[in-house]
Amino acid sequence: DTAVSQTPKYLVTQMGNDKSIKCEQNLGHDTMYWYKQDSKKFLKIMFSYNNKELIINETVPNRFSPKSPDKAHLNLHINSLELGDSAVYFCASSQDRGGAGTDTQYFGPGTRLTVL
Amino acid sequence: AQTVTQSQPEMSVQEAETVTLSCTYDTSESDYYLFWYKQPPSRQMILVIRQEAYKQQNATENRFSVNFQKAAKSFSLKISDSQLGDAAMYFCAYRRWGRGDMRFGAGTRLTVKP
Repeated sequence: DTAVSQTPKYLVTQMGNDKSIKCEQNLGHDTMYWYKQDSKKFLKIMFSYNNKELIINETVPNRFSPKSPDKAHLNLHINSLELGDSAVYFCASSQDRGGAGTDTQYFGPGTRLTVL
Repeated sequence: AQTVTQSQPEMSVQEAETVTLSCTYDTSESDYYLFWYKQPPSRQMILVIRQEAYKQQNATENRFSVNFQKAAKSFSLKISDSQLGDAAMYFCAYRRWGRGDMRFGAGTRLTVKP
């Protein structure tokens, strides 16, 4: 019954590694997002996809690459992980009907990434 | 650029009492949406309440209500009859019409004392 799910919930890895976080929503929404929450709890948008098309790409290092195989999934791949990438990453989804930004966003449980 | 400011890093309330969390925002847009999200220790982001800027009437959800002052760009959250389960980080967020991402404030940590 989970609306927006993320895997894994916890991820501990070494600097320089490549890792992926997966997100799936079963709400039938057409727009999905990735947010980053830093150690001070500040939440910031990273990417947004509408019907598998990238519509928001904030100033994020190109080591971060989102991939949307279909509108129910938005995965986040991170290359060459750095210490500063340690954070909680949230996936969210909404029904935006072409990116109009009208509807409420529902968040996944977050993935706590720790880079050692 | 739109910014959201929560000037109270921490707030405390006695159980069953009322508390108000402040939020101000900066925008030149006329159509937008405002939200309050709650993040308990479980880390889950939970929608508390939302307000459309074109609506003059303040949104209400059970014990939660907002005081939306569009001209002042203020959007405070009032929690009535506070319960222990209300203890959490509360985030105010802004979302412009036509752009899907939300801009969040820095959060207010609410403690509820028994």
